[in-house]
Amino acid sequence: DAGVIQSPRHEVTEMGQEVTLRCKPISGHNSLFWYRQTMMRGLELLIYFNNNVPIDDSGMPEDRFSAKMPNASFSTLKIQPSEPRDSAVYFCASSWGISSNTEAFFGQGTRLTVV
Amino acid sequence: GENVEQHPSTLSVQEGDSAVIKCTYSDSASNYFPWYKQELGKRPQLIIDIRSNVGEKKDQRIAVTLNKTAKHFSLHITETQPEDSAVYFCAAIRPGNQFYFGTGTSLTVIP
Repeated sequence: DAGVIQSPRHEVTEMGQEVTLRCKPISGHNSLFWYRQTMMRGLELLIYFNNNVPIDDSGMPEDRFSAKMPNASFSTLKIQPSEPRDSAVYFCASSWGISSNTEAFFGQGTRLTVV
Repeated sequence: GENVEQHPSTLSVQEGDSAVIKCTYSDSASNYFPWYKQELGKRPQLIIDIRSNVGEKKDQRIAVTLNKTAKHFSLHITETQPEDSAVYFCAAIRPGNQFYFGTGTSLTVIP
């Protein structure tokens, strides 16, 4: 398995534009997480899906952020409109298990710069 | 959700010395405690984990301890080497698999 795959690796966009980040989890995993990493806040959990259903989106900062998981092999995180303070590295991670927790595998991340 | 606190935020040690990173958590239902290492510009990767039915676990130079009563757990690295320099994250996982991470510890090993 190629692991968790994120695209793009780098994104530079102008303030006000829509940004879509993509993630393909490891096949067979039933949990998917989106994180935002900044120097100030570390790894923030934005949203968590289990079996394609959003379970906890309390970490999503504002209505400008939305995430979907239309099937077990694909998820998107969208920011519309983007702002400079959204600049960060966004990680997607996946794992397997509900009652018995297991390792979360991270993708390479998307470095987003909003100018 | 779970509240995970991690200390210190930065740590510098001489090569060969030991490093200790401590975390506390708030939710007594958490039962899985992994530690991740993130090298500069790379993704976080699991280095060791411990479950709530175990008090201590060791893997070569790294070890983790867990005190469920006090709700704290620690990472111990012995005989540190320059390649141990990285950011380390602890996490406390509740049933349902929500991964809440600490704020990270930037470890620098000075040759």
